[in-house]
Amino acid sequence: DGGITQSPKYLFRKEGQNVTLSCEQNLNHDAMYWYRQDPGQGLRLIYYSQIVNDFQKGDIAEGYSVSREKKESFPLTVTSAQKNPTAFYLCASTRTNREDYGYTFGSGTRLTVV
Amino acid sequence: RKEVEQDPGPFNVPEGATVAFNCTYSNSASQSFFWYRQDCRKEPKLLMSVYSSGNEDGRFTAQLNRASQYISLLIRDSKLSDSATYLCVVNLSPYGQNFVFGPGTRLSVLP
Repeated sequence: DGGITQSPKYLFRKEGQNVTLSCEQNLNHDAMYWYRQDPGQGLRLIYYSQIVNDFQKGDIAEGYSVSREKKESFPLTVTSAQKNPTAFYLCASTRTNREDYGYTFGSGTRLTVV
Repeated sequence: RKEVEQDPGPFNVPEGATVAFNCTYSNSASQSFFWYRQDCRKEPKLLMSVYSSGNEDGRFTAQLNRASQYISLLIRDSKLSDSATYLCVVNLSPYGQNFVFGPGTRLSVLP
C-alpha cells in the first residue's frame, strides 16, 4: 500500500545538536511539506517543495533546513539555531495538478530536547 | 484577522446528538476546502472535501458558502469514536496546493 513513512517516531535531542527527521513517500506525489504542531496549537508550515531540487520557506523556517534530491524523500534537519524545537513534526504530500486533492500525512515524529 | 478561524470549542455532546462546526476564511480567492480529523497525538486524516453544492458522507455533511466565506461540518447521530479535533483547511492557490489549517475544534462525545 502507498503511503508516507516518517522516522523515527520519537527523537531526543541534546542542546546544540542537529538532528534529521526522515520523510519518505511512495505515492508518486510531487509536493511535500513539513509542519510543526505544538500542544493545543494548529499546524504551522516550516518548508515545502513542489518539485525535485526546489523548496520554499514556510512561515517558521528559521532554524530548519531541508533537501529534495529525490521525489520520494524530503528530510528535515532541525539545527541548533532552532531555540525551541520540542514539538510534533508532521510530513505531508499531495499531487500538484489538482487543487481539490487533499494532503496525506505521515504519522509524525515527536522531538524532545533533553 | 487570522486566515482560517474555527469555533473555539471544546464541544461536549452526548452520544446520538447532532453537532455542527463552523469555519470562516478571510481570502475570497480560496479555491478548495477540506475537513480533517485529528485524534489525540496522531496525524490529521482527511475526513472530506467540501464542494460548492454541499456534500454528504454517511453521518457527515459539509457545506460551503462562498459569499459569506464560511464552511460548516454537521455530524449526525454522534458516536463515541467521533471524539477528535476537527480541522478546517483552505487551499489558497489555484495552482497546486497552498493549504492553511484552522486551529481546530475539539469534540468529545460522551456516553
